[in-house]
Amino acid sequence: EAQVTQNPRYLITVTGKKLTVTCSQNMNHEYMSWYRQDPGLGLRQIYYSMNVEVTDKGDVPEGYKVSRKEKRNFPLILESPSPNQTSLYFCASSFSGDLGIYGYTFGSGTRLTVV
Amino acid sequence: AQSVTQLDSHVSVSEGTPVLLRCNYSSSYSPSLFWYVQHPNKGLQLLLKYTSAATLVKGINGFEAEFKKSETSFHLTKPSAHMSDAAEYFCAFSGGYNKLIFGAGTRLAVHP
Repeated sequence: EAQVTQNPRYLITVTGKKLTVTCSQNMNHEYMSWYRQDPGLGLRQIYYSMNVEVTDKGDVPEGYKVSRKEKRNFPLILESPSPNQTSLYFCASSFSGDLGIYGYTFGSGTRLTVV
Repeated sequence: AQSVTQLDSHVSVSEGTPVLLRCNYSSSYSPSLFWYVQHPNKGLQLLLKYTSAATLVKGINGFEAEFKKSETSFHLTKPSAHMSDAAEYFCAFSGGYNKLIFGAGTRLAVHP
């Protein structure tokens, strides 16, 4: 089954304790991205990757890092989490074409709480 | 600047009545447009997408949307709401090759 797998689904952590949210896709997509969802703001892009070793900032990159060492994996790293990073996070992958992105496949989400 | 505006943060309908969720976009070129649905504690599911083919797009679960370039709109409709349609709906458009730009979401409530 074609899917994007995120782990963990739920995470409660303390301020300053480094954490990683993993994301893996099995569709051989070049493009992967991380979003955060906050009430009243919709989804905002954190980082994206056009292919292996190619990453770039989205709209809200502060406090986050990513890496793309393999095509299938795109982990999100919070080196020193803060309470304002409490949010629902989604990983997504897609292929692109002449008209841009042809619709993402989203993971199930990771609900992160930083206390 | 490219943006998406969902005109209603909450919509409430009775079961069996039509649903209209409104979305306007701002873009300097012809966009690809999408509607996603998110049920409580679930991920995002693609309902339908417009990619410059037919302007009336049919999606899953009886939803459809019409692309109107003159009005820069892409409203989502369904003739008859079901209780299972209660969810949050997001309009999005492809902002070039690097991201989808999302609206703030519309929460649909369906009453018996």
